[in-house]
Amino acid sequence: QVQLQQWGAGLLKPSETLSLTCAVYGGSFSGYYWSWIRQPPGKGLEWIGEINHSGSTNYNPSLKSRVTISVDTSKNQFSLKLSSVTAADTAVYYCAREVITMVRGRRVYYMDVWGKGTTVTVSS
Amino acid sequence: QSVLTQPPSVSAAPGQKVTISCSGSSSNIGNNYVSWYQQLPGTAPKLLIYENNKRPSGIPDRFSGSKSGTSATLGITGLQTGDEADYYCGTWDSSLSAYWVFGGGTKLTVL
Repeated sequence: QVQLQQWGAGLLKPSETLSLTCAVYGGSFSGYYWSWIRQPPGKGLEWIGEINHSGSTNYNPSLKSRVTISVDTSKNQFSLKLSSVTAADTAVYYCAREVITMVRGRRVYYMDVWGKGTTVTVSS
Repeated sequence: QSVLTQPPSVSAAPGQKVTISCSGSSSNIGNNYVSWYQQLPGTAPKLLIYENNKRPSGIPDRFSGSKSGTSATLGITGLQTGDEADYYCGTWDSSLSAYWVFGGGTKLTVL
């Protein structure tokens, strides 16, 4: 059974860089994309970006200029860095496994395993 | 402002049926498969429906999904108090800047 364990600093000051890591246990690392999603307090889900085992990435256009997602296949881990944080980046950050397959010539995307979340607060 | 539009809240009595709508456009729902997620209070989201209408192992058949054009619907029958949660739809948006999009979420209250 695949499990995602995530960690990182929970309290940041404005302008600092958020850094989180997610480790994958109990399953294959290749063959999937690995995503970061965040949820501000009392609000909905916002996708941040994704990476595969080869290091191919896609980012949310609204965050692209500040986001870097990287992968360490030797440890089955992937990481998120978000630079120049402000109070608006305060949120619970989740990592998730993303399945991408083909059905009737069309791609199917869904997130089937999620980490428990890390609360990140940005405050001076 | 979410790319996918969901009603903020729905409610129904135990044992009843409820539907949650998710409206998008041709660049997302219209040309891609939809998934649904259940988020119980204080927990991470959980996959409920994928590929528009398929249920992962362990998800009861009280939960169903459908899609028509640029809209998708989650249905829940035989409502239980344990179904009280936030529900999110999600899909890939195949516009020039391809990326994942979610609905704003719907709070289900079981009266």
